[in-house]
Amino acid sequence: ETGVTQSPTHLIKTRGQQVTLRCSSQSGHNTVSWYQQALGQGPQFIFQYYREEENGRGNFPPRFSGLQFPNYSSELNVNALELDDSALYLCASSLPGKLTDTQYFGPGTRLTVL
Amino acid sequence: EDKVVQSPLSLVVHEGDTVTLNCSYEVTNFRSLLWYKQEKKAPTFLFMLTSSGIEKKSGRLSSILDKKELSSILNITATQTGDSAIYLCAVVDVQGAQKLVFGQGTRLTINP
Repeated sequence: ETGVTQSPTHLIKTRGQQVTLRCSSQSGHNTVSWYQQALGQGPQFIFQYYREEENGRGNFPPRFSGLQFPNYSSELNVNALELDDSALYLCASSLPGKLTDTQYFGPGTRLTVL
Repeated sequence: EDKVVQSPLSLVVHEGDTVTLNCSYEVTNFRSLLWYKQEKKAPTFLFMLTSSGIEKKSGRLSSILDKKELSSILNITATQTGDSAIYLCAVVDVQGAQKLVFGQGTRLTINP
């Protein structure tokens, strides 16, 4: 069974640029969630995708957008980067349903905005 | 607004000690509570607690959910240096997406 993978591992961008982060979900999982973890904080929910549709969104501006593909992999896009976007971006996959609240996390992408 | 609070934020103990980490929550549409261990990057799953499973144990780790007090504890006995990590508590809010609402985490350091 393949776990959740993310790419790239690290990324350095400058203010105003755009970035795309990628995630491959665990085998058999059709739900992908993205979280932002600032230094010293717990992860914060960005949004969730289920069957290629956005299934819910946290308090993040529209310049944070995503996609999910038929193979359940996903992308997180951030436009017009700001310094405060510097964080660890975590992707988590899961099966939907009442008995499967457990989400399994990938190793994350460390984004630095200069 | 949903809220999860963990305490203490940081804890330093000696190898062999027993530790108790706390988590309290205010979530409108609570369904379950999860504990994760984060050593470098990826949080790894430890336990899930629900109304039908309020106590879990795995080796030296155990956790209890108190639905009346809206809280949970994570106990680690006979701590080892490998237990050093950030421990994250998360609550599942099922209003809309099946999202995890995390606390700030407890940074646990085990000294030899």
